[in-house]
Amino acid sequence: QVQLVESGGGVVQPGRSLRLSCAASGFTFSTYAMHWVRQAPGKGLEWVAVVSHDGSNKHYAESAKGRFTSSRDNSKNTLYLQMNSLRGEDTAVYYCARTRGIDYMDVWGNGATVTVSS
Amino acid sequence: ELVMTQSPATLSVSPGERATLSCRASQSVSSNLAWYQQKPGQAPRLLIYGASTRATGVPARFSGSGSGTEFTLTISSLQSEDFAVYYCQQYNNWPPLSFGGGTTVEI
Repeated sequence: QVQLVESGGGVVQPGRSLRLSCAASGFTFSTYAMHWVRQAPGKGLEWVAVVSHDGSNKHYAESAKGRFTSSRDNSKNTLYLQMNSLRGEDTAVYYCARTRGIDYMDVWGNGATVTVSS
Repeated sequence: ELVMTQSPATLSVSPGERATLSCRASQSVSSNLAWYQQKPGQAPRLLIYGASTRATGVPARFSGSGSGTEFTLTISSLQSEDFAVYYCQQYNNWPPLSFGGGTTVEI
């Protein structure tokens, strides 16, 4: 079945880095763009980034620009989010989600929890 | 930046009743709007896209309407499993893609 599984979350000190992974299965990963969406504790959904199907086009939220980089390895059916210079306000559950274009998200992973704290 | 506003923040409804959730965009998003359902501890689930098209497997009691700046999600007869948080999301003007703040449907 179609599935997305995030990994790589954890507790990290402010200013440090973390890389999340999103492993895809059950569909042709290389034909879909992929989003990252996060949700701070008790808050709503916030879009973070999108990567085109071949990785050639990427767009980021202002909160992520210059600190976060999303990439993908279609040979491994895996999406990545490299997060640098982490801040307390980056504490959230990070979801990867599939998209047909750069539009709505039809399949979501279960999320990876990132806690930024000293 | 395009802002999505949902109302009410919380909707108290009894099982079997009708629920009407609203989403307003600060500028036109045409019909490029989706609705998601999120239950506690779970990932969001796509309900509606294109403002009114139900996603695969979504029960017919869920319906979406609207275009431009005003949108509505209607749940015709609330079931126990429908009590959750609902988010709208526009994908007409990006980046950024933007979500509304959510409406909690509670008993």
